[in-house]
Amino acid sequence: GESVGLHLPTLSVQEGDNSIINCAYSNSASDYFIWYKQESGKGPQFIIDIRSNMDKRQGQRVTVLLNKTVKHLSLQIAATQPGDSAVYFCAENRKGNFNKFYFGSGTKLNVKP
Amino acid sequence: EPEVTQTPSHQVTQMGQEVILRCVPISNHLYFYWYRQILGQKVEFLVSFYNNEISEKSEIFDDQFSVERPDGSNFTLKIRSTKLEDSAMYFCASSADEKLFFGSGTQLSVL
Repeated sequence: GESVGLHLPTLSVQEGDNSIINCAYSNSASDYFIWYKQESGKGPQFIIDIRSNMDKRQGQRVTVLLNKTVKHLSLQIAATQPGDSAVYFCAENRKGNFNKFYFGSGTKLNVKP
Repeated sequence: EPEVTQTPSHQVTQMGQEVILRCVPISNHLYFYWYRQILGQKVEFLVSFYNNEISEKSEIFDDQFSVERPDGSNFTLKIRSTKLEDSAMYFCASSADEKLFFGSGTQLSVL
């Protein structure tokens, strides 16, 4: 039978390099964003969040950049490690409705030792 | 670190059977959610729950689905009569505010 599903974009990086994963959103009412990491067979794991009144937020080895003008979000991972290999999703919710998150289709990060 | 726990990790059922997926949200969280992920597809919102009632539900969450908080710690998703297309990974999540924390999921296989 026909296989239906998303073909995930894949980013391959060398261990120690920096990674940049991108996400585009379409709704101008999007107010709050989260980056999640999902390892095979596991649930999404919270990495970092950012509100629409900010354009940059830093965590431990991760930075999220938000460009509201072009509706673009990126996740930068410094000194990428093999343990960072996973699928990364951005998720957004919209002003006045924080109950419901919309997930992007994800990017697979492959870290080569 | 507190976490959302889900049981079972895998559930196999026959089409038409009822299943109950169980979740224990993080203890001080007030908002509870179910999401699902069909293999190879996006994570999709099913339902949110607050103050003992559904806050919002998606088109997927039809009359075959129900949620319940039977006591102070558990949050369940019931599918009354499972269909083949219900096969997916079901994630429970909870939050104290907007920050959503997910469990490891229950892989539901409907045969």
